Amino acid sequence: DADVTQTPRNRITKTGKRIMLECSQTKGHDRMYWYRQDPGLGLRLIYYSFDVKDINKGEISDGYSVSRQAQAKFSLSLESAIPNQTALYFCATSQQAGTDTQYFGPGTRLTVL
Amino acid sequence: GDSVTQMEGPVTLSEEAFLTINCTYTATGYPSLFWYVQYPGEGLQLLLKATKADDKGSNKGFEATYRKETTSFHLEKGSVQVSDSAVYFCALGTGFQKLVFGTGTRLLVSP
Repeated sequence: DADVTQTPRNRITKTGKRIMLECSQTKGHDRMYWYRQDPGLGLRLIYYSFDVKDINKGEISDGYSVSRQAQAKFSLSLESAIPNQTALYFCATSQQAGTDTQYFGPGTRLTVL
Repeated sequence: GDSVTQMEGPVTLSEEAFLTINCTYTATGYPSLFWYVQYPGEGLQLLLKATKADDKGSNKGFEATYRKETTSFHLEKGSVQVSDSAVYFCALGTGFQKLVFGTGTRLLVSP
């Protein structure tokens, strides 16, 4: 089984709809991250969490919110989706300390019409 | 702020050709450096990393050396295969458990 899973893998929605993307991990890592990937822009950090009680904004958090329900679960919400949020979204995890290495999920492809 | 610059792609090679993908960085302090690979339809996988100057990371025939004097971490492979076709991302670790990524370089290897 994959260490970092994301659901759904693909989602098509309409402008104005609320969307939740979910991430679960079995690696036992405290730190979790949400990124979006756009062609030509690489990966950009949306939010990150260093433990269940710690949530931090990344470089592009506007229009997004997150919830850390447990050590193993980190959800990303789009309260009112807009077309320019069409992208590939990745969840990642890392150990508590001593390394910057991150481990990625398979991604969710989101299309907002 | 911290940043990573990679060569634009796509890089198109024939099988068994030599590969170089350039990566340079700007950072305060002494970052860790990474190469991640993304195969079609998949998430990013760590390919190799180096944590201090002059370290060489290597994996699956790929190598990269952390060059502090030129602020570079170029990815090389002596003989590419069709299965190496993917997007390669250079990244730096800021020391605060955050990564800064380059824009990615697509590699296409033909038989």
